[in-house]
Amino acid sequence: DAGITQSPRHKVTETGTPVTLRCHQTENHRYMYWYRQDPGHGLRLIHYSYGVKDTDKGEVSDGYSVSRSKTEDFLLTLESATSSQTSVYFCAISDPGRMNTEAFFGQGTRLTVV
Amino acid sequence: QQQVKQSPQSLIVQKGGISIINCAYENTAFDYFPWYQQFPGKGPALLIAIRPDVSEKKEGRFTISFNKSAKQFSLHIMDSQPGDSATYFCAASMEYGNKLVFGAGTILRVKS
Repeated sequence: DAGITQSPRHKVTETGTPVTLRCHQTENHRYMYWYRQDPGHGLRLIHYSYGVKDTDKGEVSDGYSVSRSKTEDFLLTLESATSSQTSVYFCAISDPGRMNTEAFFGQGTRLTVV
Repeated sequence: QQQVKQSPQSLIVQKGGISIINCAYENTAFDYFPWYQQFPGKGPALLIAIRPDVSEKKEGRFTISFNKSAKQFSLHIMDSQPGDSATYFCAASMEYGNKLVFGAGTILRVKS
């Protein structure tokens, strides 16, 4: 999985609690992304980062925040989890300045909000 | 509103047959069209990709056909094998692997 580690891999949390998901990469890729995967919707972009402390919103960013203090780490925070945020979350990395331009995905984090 | 529409939702093919998955897009600024393969419990992995300056790209048993005027592209899997059973996603972006917009996915089952 191209040196991408997501943690935790599974989490059950209660409605209203804060949750932080972590993505760690060892590839030194400039861009990092958070997607969520839901049946019938494919993968949808939540937030992305194009460098340390440089982040921007994606298609479904409401209720989520991100931070990137180091090249290798990208954190996704649900400030107050809701049942609609039950999903599988994928981190991805890419670096358009390199020869290999594809996006690589992590193994995913299955989050259940009860 | 889904920018990339994928069909069918599911597909059952006999071993040795041809699997065909279709996608259509609206945004003419898209210039990179990858297909991803996903097995249960795993993240999506790039299968094959095409730029709009070519109409077809083949890698082994996998072929992308691209119709720029119709804004459509498709994945053909020749000689489908049970090991090809997976979920397939088409995607599009305006800059290689950045900010990919995905189709809803197709669950392929190849019967042996």
